[in-house]
Amino acid sequence: DARVTQTPRHKVTEMGQEVTMRCQPILGHNTVFWYRQTMMQGLELLAYFRNRAPLDDSGMPKDRFSAEMPDATLATLKIQPSEPRDSAVYFCASALGGQQETQYFGPGTRLLVL
Amino acid sequence: QKEVEQDPGPLSVPEGAIVSLNCTYSNSAFQYFMWYRQYSRKGPELLMYTYSSGNKEDGRFTAQVDKSSKYISLFIRDSQPSDSATYLCATSNSGNTPLVFGKGTRLSVIA
Repeated sequence: DARVTQTPRHKVTEMGQEVTMRCQPILGHNTVFWYRQTMMQGLELLAYFRNRAPLDDSGMPKDRFSAEMPDATLATLKIQPSEPRDSAVYFCASALGGQQETQYFGPGTRLLVL
Repeated sequence: QKEVEQDPGPLSVPEGAIVSLNCTYSNSAFQYFMWYRQYSRKGPELLMYTYSSGNKEDGRFTAQVDKSSKYISLFIRDSQPSDSATYLCATSNSGNTPLVFGKGTRLSVIA
């Protein structure tokens, strides 16, 4: 049963600390998305990669957020320094090329910044 | 104006009712239309996928797209308590651009 995995599932941290979230896309999927979900804004695209190259990160606050794909099986999203307004659920999703119907989401990382 | 508008609800219906969930969008270039279902504390999962206009049926679920009015709908027949979830519509203008999501409608089906 292929699925996207994300770690950690929950994270509580203090303002100013670095937060790293990890995602393992479905094997064979070459497109990876990072989303943030809040009650106020809904699901927002932060960044996405195809074949490990960043295609669009315009949804990310560049001064504190960074996203990378060190290899085809790992995507990371870092926040440094974290702020209370970053509290949200962060989802990773993967897809096969541009086939939208193959986009599968991970279970999310629930982040609380105190 | 957001590109995709969706009434957040909540919507509460009795078991067995027909449910209608709707979204409007502003970009006439959108061609791909999706409905995702998200259970509490889970990631969204793809429910229905439609390209361009028309209807698509899958069991108790029917997705409908009216491009002339920029209106997309999801109908659930014979709703069940297990259908209680948040339903998100999503759209994009090509297979190579990311989806734009509505904020989701929270549905409760009461037994």
